[in-house]
Amino acid sequence: TQLLEQSPQFLSIQEGENLTVYCNSSSVFSSLQWYRQEPGEGPVLLVTVVTGGEVKKLKRLTFQFGDARKDSSLHITAAQTGDTGLYLCAGAGDDKIIFGKGTRLHILP
Amino acid sequence: NAGVTQTPKFQVLKTGQSMTLQCAQDMNHNSMYWYRQDPGMGLRLIYYSASEGTTDKGEVPNGYNVSRLNKREFSLRLESAAPSQTSVYFCASRDRVTNEQFFGPGTRLTVL
Repeated sequence: TQLLEQSPQFLSIQEGENLTVYCNSSSVFSSLQWYRQEPGEGPVLLVTVVTGGEVKKLKRLTFQFGDARKDSSLHITAAQTGDTGLYLCAGAGDDKIIFGKGTRLHILP
Repeated sequence: NAGVTQTPKFQVLKTGQSMTLQCAQDMNHNSMYWYRQDPGMGLRLIYYSASEGTTDKGEVPNGYNVSRLNKREFSLRLESAAPSQTSVYFCASRDRVTNEQFFGPGTRLTVL
């Protein structure tokens, strides 16, 4: 059973636009992570958020962890074609890391 | 420093055949994981090993077995492959300080 719900599942927007993708859970995790995956490769970690209400920025990407530590969002400002890829959120527990189904993002030139 | 390596990269099996997917990491991590990735399903955990000598089932363990051979190596075995096991398989290891997982390049398996 998937415990993490990501939305939207697919998103196709023009270069220069802003976007937000969401990750929601019915469970509390000790931390939430966002990974990005390119075709033919394994996922690569972008960020880990640990504290409820935490906001982290990575250039044009802004990650937020909900106050209750059950949900997270990823906001991209002025999207570029290089942002195209599969974005996965993951909830980390003591032993396991559980992934959502991902948001497939396509940035059109 | 190779990180996480997986072999083979591609494999085609007939239904009923067996095979072992190999994984090794050189980062001295205690925790290792096997996932499968299917279109629209994200990454689903098959088995994991929190430390050398221990293994536990994940979300989708049926049809698979694992062996934590030593701290570096964690293998996944399909005893009697089925078409439903056609997938891309990823091995990962975890840094327990940062919680970051490091993934291998994946094995693309097709079962006919």
